[in-house]
Amino acid sequence: KQEVTQIPAALSVPEGENLVLNCSFTDSAIYNLQWFRQDPGKGLTSLLLIQSSQREQTSGRLNASLDKSSGRSTLYIAASQPGDSATYLCAVSGSGNTGKLIFGQGTTLQVKP
Amino acid sequence: GAGVSQTPSNKVTEKGKYVELRCDPISGHTALYWYRQSLGQGPEFLIYFQGTGAADDSGLPNDRFFAVRPEGSVSTLKIQRTERGDSAVYLCASSLGTGPGELFFGEGSRLTVL
Repeated sequence: KQEVTQIPAALSVPEGENLVLNCSFTDSAIYNLQWFRQDPGKGLTSLLLIQSSQREQTSGRLNASLDKSSGRSTLYIAASQPGDSATYLCAVSGSGNTGKLIFGQGTTLQVKP
Repeated sequence: GAGVSQTPSNKVTEKGKYVELRCDPISGHTALYWYRQSLGQGPEFLIYFQGTGAADDSGLPNDRFFAVRPEGSVSTLKIQRTERGDSAVYLCASSLGTGPGELFFGEGSRLTVL
């Protein structure tokens, strides 16, 4: 059974700092991995999607890497801003022909001005 | 519509009552998913529709939960004889086609069972 773990559960950093969020998964037979952002009381916004054949994806100040063999992904946020404060969730999609996602518990990030 | 729309945004009900939650996916998206998110947890998969049919309902916790998508667009999640443990945010997501792809989520329906 696929399990997804995110470390740390919470993180507080000063504005401007570069930071890394970690995600690990137990079954390397994934189709893709997605990182989402969730603001309090809101739904999920997709940030980056990495196909299993890819090693990384970049969007603006965000960079996500994937090491399928070791069951790990990282989300790198450069030059953090207070507006980046949110919960970040990673999710993996199994190798079957479905978009069913298994989520981690999330990392709650606070960026202090 | 421009995004996934869910109604109601908030629902408070009493234990034992029947509840319906509605999801209107992005126009043209054939795949639709229901997830449930408890406080402080990541979303948990409930059911996946491809068109009108439930392709995977393995996440439904018991037979009190049922979902339909009769015309391949709007979906309704139905919960019978609600229990306090059903309290959670119910999230709906849609994606463009078959197979894994980028999912677009609605803002969720927060269900509170008293």
